[in-house]
This record gives sequence, C-alpha cells and structure tokens, in this order.
Amino acid sequence: GAVVSQHPSRVICKSGTSVKIECRSLDFQATTMFWYRQFPKQSLMLMATSNEGSKATYEQGVEKDKFLINHASLTLSTLTVTSAHPEDSSFYICSAGGSATDTQYFGPGTRLTVL
Amino acid sequence: KQEVTQIPAALSVPEGENLVLNCSFTDSAIYNLQWFRQDPGKGLTSLLLIQSSQREQTSGRLNASLDKSSGRSTLYIAASQPGDSATYLCAVPLPHYGGSQGNLIFGKGTKLSVKP
Repeated sequence: GAVVSQHPSRVICKSGTSVKIECRSLDFQATTMFWYRQFPKQSLMLMATSNEGSKATYEQGVEKDKFLINHASLTLSTLTVTSAHPEDSSFYICSAGGSATDTQYFGPGTRLTVL
Repeated sequence: KQEVTQIPAALSVPEGENLVLNCSFTDSAIYNLQWFRQDPGKGLTSLLLIQSSQREQTSGRLNASLDKSSGRSTLYIAASQPGDSATYLCAVPLPHYGGSQGNLIFGKGTKLSVKP
C-alpha cells in the first residue's frame, strides 16, 4: 500500500520557538494532504486541508497564522507551529489520499512537546 | 453535524476471546466508513474500509459490518491475541463532500487490552 512518512517523529522544544513537521507521500502523488492533531484521550481532530499549490483550508478554531501549512509539491506538505506554547503539545498526524471513496494513508505521527 | 461515537471506551478480554467493537454515526449519508488501529504514540493503520454500498468487509480475523440505516458499524475480532492490544478508531468522511478529498470525522476510540 501507499506509504506516508513524517519527520521528525518526536520533538521537544522551548516555549516561543517554531517547529516544522514534514509529511511526505513516498510512492504516490497526493494533491491533498490533511493535518490532524490528537490531545490525550481525545479523538483525532482535523486542523487543516492542504492542497498542492494553493492556500490551506483551516478548520474553525485553528489559527492559520500559528499553524503555517505549505504544500509545495505533490509529495510534500509541511506544518510549522510558530511560537509554540505548552498547550500546543500534542500528537500531529498527516494523511494523504484519493477521493472520498478511497482510503486515506496516514503518516506515523509527530509527538510535539513544548516545555 | 456528523458525530461519531464508539462504545465501549475501553475493553479488556482474555486471549482467545471473540469480541465486538461498536461505532455509531448520526448522519447516515456517508460515502464509507473506515476502521483504524492506533498503537500508543504511533500513527494510524487502516484496517478495513467499507463502502456505503457494502454490508461488510473481512480481513483475516477482522470483520467489519455497516448498517447505514441505523447509523452503526461493528468491528468483530476473532480469537483475540495480545498483539491486538491497541486503540481502535472508526471514522467517516464528511457527508456530501462532492467526491473530492474526504476529511474524516473520528470517534474517540476503544482501547482494547488482550491479556495473555
């Protein structure tokens, strides 16, 4: 099946710094990638939809100036958490897939801890 | 607004037992329903995808059923093993998304523990 990778898998940073997370589709082209986050004991929540070559669409309540998404190619999307704070500590997962009738392929996730 | 609920939140069974995980959704106008497995601190692994026109899907010891009219899906795991211990999530795409890339709405998951 299709493979999606994320880098880094874990990151610990100080409050106020910025962190970039990469999501790559390794063996297929993904015109759309999704970014989710999961807080402890909560379900996955969609943050934004990233379309190659255009601006991302953010879900209500997600600050677009804080969570910068770039989808520069058909195989790479990046999420940058700017001026991270401890409340941003979470598990961030990306996915890529086909139409609504197809499976989404998920990355392994990135554990962000902000001290 | 589509809501996905999973019951129970946690389940502990002895090895070898058959078990059923439940998932319900409020809007029956879905394209498909997906079951995922999440190991602690890890990403998601897709287990089964059931199209809206299907009643069930099987993969190995896993069988997922879908009843759109009642807004329910079940994941049946036969002869459970300790390696099945994980959190199981079900998810549906937003309804009427028009066939483009589908955003998923997830349940909170059922945490399964299979004891040797």
